[in-house]
This record gives sequence, structure tokens and C-alpha cells, in this order.
Amino acid sequence: DTGVSQDPRHKITKRGQNVTFRCDPISEHNRLYWYRQTLGQGPEFLTYFQNEAQLEKSRLLSDRFSAERPKGSFSTLEIQRTEQGDSAMYLCASSLEGVQRYEQYFGPGTRLTVT
Amino acid sequence: GQNIDQPTEMTATEGAIVQINCTYQTSGFNGLFWYQQHAGEAPTFLSYNVLDGLEEKGRFSSFLSRSKGYSYLLLKELQMKDSASYLCAVRDNYGQNFVFGPGTRLSVLP
Repeated sequence: DTGVSQDPRHKITKRGQNVTFRCDPISEHNRLYWYRQTLGQGPEFLTYFQNEAQLEKSRLLSDRFSAERPKGSFSTLEIQRTEQGDSAMYLCASSLEGVQRYEQYFGPGTRLTVT
Repeated sequence: GQNIDQPTEMTATEGAIVQINCTYQTSGFNGLFWYQQHAGEAPTFLSYNVLDGLEEKGRFSSFLSRSKGYSYLLLKELQMKDSASYLCAVRDNYGQNFVFGPGTRLSVLP
């Protein structure tokens, strides 16, 4: 399977703990996006990378959130000192910039529950 | 600001046709996308419009009017498996960011 993968699929953590999620995009894709989605809502943009460079961060992304894509391949999203409001589905998507349609391919998501 | 509106829920009957509307107000425009999302799953790409007009792809068609900030997704010959949320998303003027609408939850009844 050469689609976007995310790990873990589910994470339950206690408030105040740190969590880290991983995303492996489609191998030839140079763009990688992180989104957060809560029940009944559309995905909210968090940040995106062009290769290893983080080019934009949403105002939603507080200083407790950090993302990296060290070698322009996989990416990690870390949430420090988790809060109950962080409970959501975290989606990763990748795309190939330069292709006309800019189609994004989504991973299955990591569902975070903060207790 | 960025704003995308869609109806929250729609219901239709198997075999029928349904039209899901989307209106948008964004800081720029570089394409409109429709995604399908089944409960508990990731969104999957359905269609893309960047020029005005209708794009047809099998049972699914999508229309765009840039001057009106309006799009619709048309689903024909509805099947039970079409029960899902349908997300409208706009790529902004700089082509960097995707803004998603809240999604329309479609229920297809027998």
C-alpha cells in the first residue's frame, strides 16, 4: 500500500502529558499538511511543509504544538501539556506540488482522547 | 476572512438525484475541491474545479461559478453507500492553504 499512513491510529492520554504523532506521506509527494477535525466539523488547517520547510502555521497552532519534517519525508506532530480541548482527529495529507489539480491524499488519521 | 457554507444535513432516496450546495468567501481562490468522508474514515477526493462550469465524473458532477462564489456537487442514481459527509474546500489565492467547509451529512434512505 503506497498511500498516506499515520501512527498511532488511536491515542488516549492524560491531561498534561505530551504526545507525538507520525505521518508517512506518499513517497514522491513534496507537500505535507496537518489538519485537526472535531466531530461534525470539516478539517481545520494546522500547518504544512514543502519538502522539509514549514511554510505556514495556523493561528490555531498554539506554542504547545510543534511539527517537523526533518528530511522532507515523514513528519511528526507533537502536542505538549495536552488539554481536554485537544481531543480530536488529527489528519495528515500529502500532495505533489506542480501537478495542476493539487489533489490532497489523506491518511486514516490519529484519534486523540485526552482524559 | 475565510468562510465556507454548506447545509448541515440532507436526506434523499436511493436511486434519486441530490444537489449539495457550497458558497464561499475567501481571501483568494485557486480551486475548489469536493471530498467524501465516511464516518470514522479519512476524506477521499471526489472532484476539482478551477474554471467556471460543470465537471462530470461518472455519477458525480461538480459545478463552479467563481463570480458568485458558489459550487454544487450533484450525485445521481444514489446508492446506500453514498451516505457520508461531503466536504467543500477552497484553495486560497496563494495556493498554499485549503479551507474546508463544515461538511454536509447525506443520508440515503431505501
